[in-house]
Amino acid sequence: GAVVSQHPSRVICKSGTSVKIECRSLDFQATTMFWYRQFPKQSLMLMATSNEGSKATYEQGVEKDKFLINHASLTLSTLTVTSAHPEDSSFYICSARDWGSGWDGYTFGSGTRLTVV
Amino acid sequence: QQQVKQSPQSLIVQKGGIPIINCAYENTAFDYFPWYQQFPGKGPALLIAIRPDVSEKKEGRFTISFNKSAKQFSLHIMDSQPGDSATYFCAASTGYSSASKIIFGSGTRLSIRP
Repeated sequence: GAVVSQHPSRVICKSGTSVKIECRSLDFQATTMFWYRQFPKQSLMLMATSNEGSKATYEQGVEKDKFLINHASLTLSTLTVTSAHPEDSSFYICSARDWGSGWDGYTFGSGTRLTVV
Repeated sequence: QQQVKQSPQSLIVQKGGIPIINCAYENTAFDYFPWYQQFPGKGPALLIAIRPDVSEKKEGRFTISFNKSAKQFSLHIMDSQPGDSATYFCAASTGYSSASKIIFGSGTRLSIRP
């Protein structure tokens, strides 16, 4: 089945620095990828939809200058958390749409645990 | 604004029992309703999904019941096992286009006691 690889799985960074998270579709081309954020014991909240070759669409309330998304190829989308602060600490999960799998084509990565100290 | 409401928040069931998780939605444009299973520190994985043209779907021990008129759907897990202990999310999506996106319910933490 479709596989989405997310890297790194865990990252600790200092407050004020930036951190980049990668999301790759390993065996399919993903024209559309999604980025979610999940706080402990809470649901996944959609942050943005990333379309290859175009600007990402951000959900209401998500700072686009804070969370930079780049989808430069059909297999890679990146999320950069800029000037990170402790309140940005969270579990970030990407998802990619495998159109070849029809309606069930949403595949999720294993997530990245970001801790800002 | 919570588009997909899920209950209960947590659930404890004895091994072999049948946990039932319920979800409700308001947006009649939703036309795809998946259920995801998530283990701690992992991303969600698709369990089973249904579209509004059927009222029930079974895959192995997992069954979705769908009531279009009530705008409700539920997940039943038959012969539950300790390995089923996880967080379950119902979700919904509209359409089959590049604009479609998955909206998650609040989640149910399920614990199956041996």
